[in-house]
Amino acid sequence: KQEVTQIPAALSVPEGENLVLNCSFTDSAIYNLQWFRQDHGKGLTSLLLIQSSQREQTSGRLNASLDKSSGRSTLYIAASQPGDSATYLCAVKGLAGAGSYQLTFGKGTKLSVIP
Amino acid sequence: DAGVIQSPRHEVTEMGQEVTLRCKPISGHNSLFWYRQTMMRGLELLIYFNNNVPIDDSGMPEDRFSAKMPNASFSTLKIQPSEPRDSAVYFCASSRPGGRQETQYFGPGTRLLVL
Repeated sequence: KQEVTQIPAALSVPEGENLVLNCSFTDSAIYNLQWFRQDHGKGLTSLLLIQSSQREQTSGRLNASLDKSSGRSTLYIAASQPGDSATYLCAVKGLAGAGSYQLTFGKGTKLSVIP
Repeated sequence: DAGVIQSPRHEVTEMGQEVTLRCKPISGHNSLFWYRQTMMRGLELLIYFNNNVPIDDSGMPEDRFSAKMPNASFSTLKIQPSEPRDSAVYFCASSRPGGRQETQYFGPGTRLLVL
């Protein structure tokens, strides 16, 4: 059974710092990996999706990398801003029962960017 | 597009009562997912529909939970009878045809409290 771990559970940084969030998964047979953002009391918003054949994806100040063989991904946030404060979840998509595809989520890293 | 719509946004009920959560996926999306999020267990997939047909319900915790998708634009998740341990945030998500390549779009969630 796939397990996804995110460390640290919470992170507090001053505004302007660059930071890295970590994600690890136990089964490397994945189709893709996604990073989501969840604001307090809200739903999830997809930030970046990396296909299993890719090594990284970039969007603005965000860069996500994937090392499938070692079961690791990182989300790099450059020049952090208070508006980046949220919980960041990592999810991997793999084959589930009956030929379906299932996302398995980590528990997230709660990021606080201090002005 | 209005995004995935869920109702109600908040529900408070007493143990033993029936609870019905509703979801309207994004138009044109053919896959629909119900998730449950708790502090202890994180985000867990309950059930997944493809073209209105339940594909994988292995995450449904027990017989008290049931889900239906009578047409492409509506789904319900019902808990009967409800118990305090069912208190959680329930998310609905949908995705376009395309299987493993497609990202999921999440609704704002229904926050359920069973007293």
